[in-house]
Parts: sequence; structure tokens; C-alpha cells
Amino acid sequence: GNSVTQMEGPVTLSEEAFLTINCTYTATGYPSLFWYVQYPGEGLQLLLKATKADDKGSNKGFEATYRKETTSFHLEKGSVQVSDSAVYFCALTPNTGFQKLVFGTGTRLLVSP
Amino acid sequence: SQTIHQWPATLVQPVGSPLSLECTVEGTSNPNLYWYRQAAGRGLQLLFYSVGIGQISSEVPQNLSASRPQDRQFILSSKKLLLSDSGFYLCAWNPTGGSDAGELFFGEGSRLTVL
Repeated sequence: GNSVTQMEGPVTLSEEAFLTINCTYTATGYPSLFWYVQYPGEGLQLLLKATKADDKGSNKGFEATYRKETTSFHLEKGSVQVSDSAVYFCALTPNTGFQKLVFGTGTRLLVSP
Repeated sequence: SQTIHQWPATLVQPVGSPLSLECTVEGTSNPNLYWYRQAAGRGLQLLFYSVGIGQISSEVPQNLSASRPQDRQFILSSKKLLLSDSGFYLCAWNPTGGSDAGELFFGEGSRLTVL
């Protein structure tokens, strides 16, 4: 079946540090890949996406590259801010049949000043 | 523009009591609608989705049910709550047949505590 595996959190960083949150997936065919972010007390919102191999999604300084050979979609940011503190979810849609999002368990990021 | 609202935002209920969470979408027609649950320390679990009025698909067997009495209204219910029903419930939508498959728009969430 389709599944997403994320690194366990929390990830604790100081402001301006480099961020990597690992995400790997299992899927048949060629899924689309997503990162969603959930700020405290809020619903989720789409951060970035990539729909085919080698695509790079980017938004708000965050980037992730769709790596088919390693079935990965790691999230990176060169310099985090306190306002980036949130829970980050990696997700996929299988691109076959009804488009249901399959989420990872989420990784909490805590950025201190 | 499209908006999604769900309520109540916070709910504390005793075990065995009924539940009704409501979600409405504005500014679009015939959306796909979803209910997710986020339990403490766990990820997002898809509970139900609907592609049209009266059409409900259940992903996980449980004591919850969903209904879609109107095009843009999605209701999550239970006749008797269990302690394990506690969690953060999220409603979401996306356009039917949209090119951005997988891009969901989420409501603000409803936090349910069962005591």
C-alpha cells in the first residue's frame, strides 16, 4: 500500500540554523508529493508540492526535491526563524483512482531565539 | 474566494454522549469533502470522504459516522463517544476533478476531549 515515513520529532534548532526533515515514501506508480504545515492551534496548510521525479517544490524559503531513486522528499530550509515553529507533515497522493492524501505522522519543529 | 468553517472549535464530552461536528464550505460547488482525525502523538488519519451529496466512503471502521445532507455541508457524528475518540478533527475540501489533486484546504479544526 501507500505510506509515508517521517523522522521522529521534535526537532529543536536555534534561529538561523539549517533544517532538514526527512521523508520517505512507499507507493505504486508515480505519486505526487506534498509538505503541509500546521501552526499551533490551526488547521493544515499546503507548504509546497512536487508532481514528478526531480521536481523541486519551494515556498517561504523551504525546498524539497522529489527523488524517485531514493523514494524521498526531504524538507530543507537554509535559515530557520522562530516563526517556523510548527508541525510539518509529508504526504502523497497515488495519482491513480480517487486522490486521497496519505500523511506521515508529522514532525514538530521548535526554533528558539 | 472559497472558505471552510467547522464548529465547534472545542468540545468536552462525557463517555457515552453523542457527537456532532459540522463543516461547511463556501464559494465553490460540488467539492470533495474529508474528515481527518489527529490523535495525540499520532499523524493524520483519514476517516471519511465524500464526492457528492449522500455519498460517503469510510476509511476506518469505528463508532463514528459521516453525512453530507447538502452539497457543501459535511457532518461527523457519533451516537456514543468513547475515550479513544478524543483528538483534533479536521475537515478539508478540494475541487472535484481539479488539476491540483492532493491539495486540500483545511478548516480550523475541532478539538474533542472525551472524559
